[in-house]
Amino acid sequence: EAQVTQNPRYLITVTGKKLTVTCSQNMNHEYMSWYRQDPGLGLRQIYYSMNVEVTDKGDVPEGYKVSRKEKRNFPLILESPSPNQTSLYFCASSLSRTSGIETQYFGPGTRLLVL
Amino acid sequence: SQQGEEDPQALSIQEGENATMNCSYKTSINNLQWYRQNSGRGLVHLILIRSNEREKHSGRLRVTLDTSKKSSSLLITASRAADTASYFCATADYGNNRLAFGKGNQVVVIP
Repeated sequence: EAQVTQNPRYLITVTGKKLTVTCSQNMNHEYMSWYRQDPGLGLRQIYYSMNVEVTDKGDVPEGYKVSRKEKRNFPLILESPSPNQTSLYFCASSLSRTSGIETQYFGPGTRLLVL
Repeated sequence: SQQGEEDPQALSIQEGENATMNCSYKTSINNLQWYRQNSGRGLVHLILIRSNEREKHSGRLRVTLDTSKKSSSLLITASRAADTASYFCATADYGNNRLAFGKGNQVVVIP
């Protein structure tokens, strides 16, 4: 089944404790992206990756890191989480065309609470 | 980054009625996409319409695109309680490796 998986689905942590949220897709998509969703703010892009070893900042990259060592995986790293990073996080993947981004397939989301 | 803006932001209708929501954007786009999100879950793609298309259908969904007005509409016909969700539009610009989302429409279908 074609899908994007994220782990963990729920996470409670404390300020400053490094964490990683994993994302994996099995559709051989070049493009992968991380979003955060907050009430009243919609989805905001954190980082994206056009292909292996190619990553770039989105709208709200501060406090986050990513890596793309393999095509299927795109982990999101919070090296020193803070309470303002409490949010619902989504990973997504899609085919990529030079003319623009195509349909995105979303993971189920990771709900993060930073105390 | 450019962002679609949905209107109305909240809509409550009776089952069987049609629901229409609009999306406006600001720049030249390659395509515009509509997504649905059930409470707190992942977004599900509904329809992608390209800049050279004016109308597209998928089951009970109809999407229109007016590039001269920089706007799109999503019509759900004969709504069902299961259509209760948030609906987002997202725009993909030419040569821009980004998909910019609006803040979403909350649609409630009353049985």
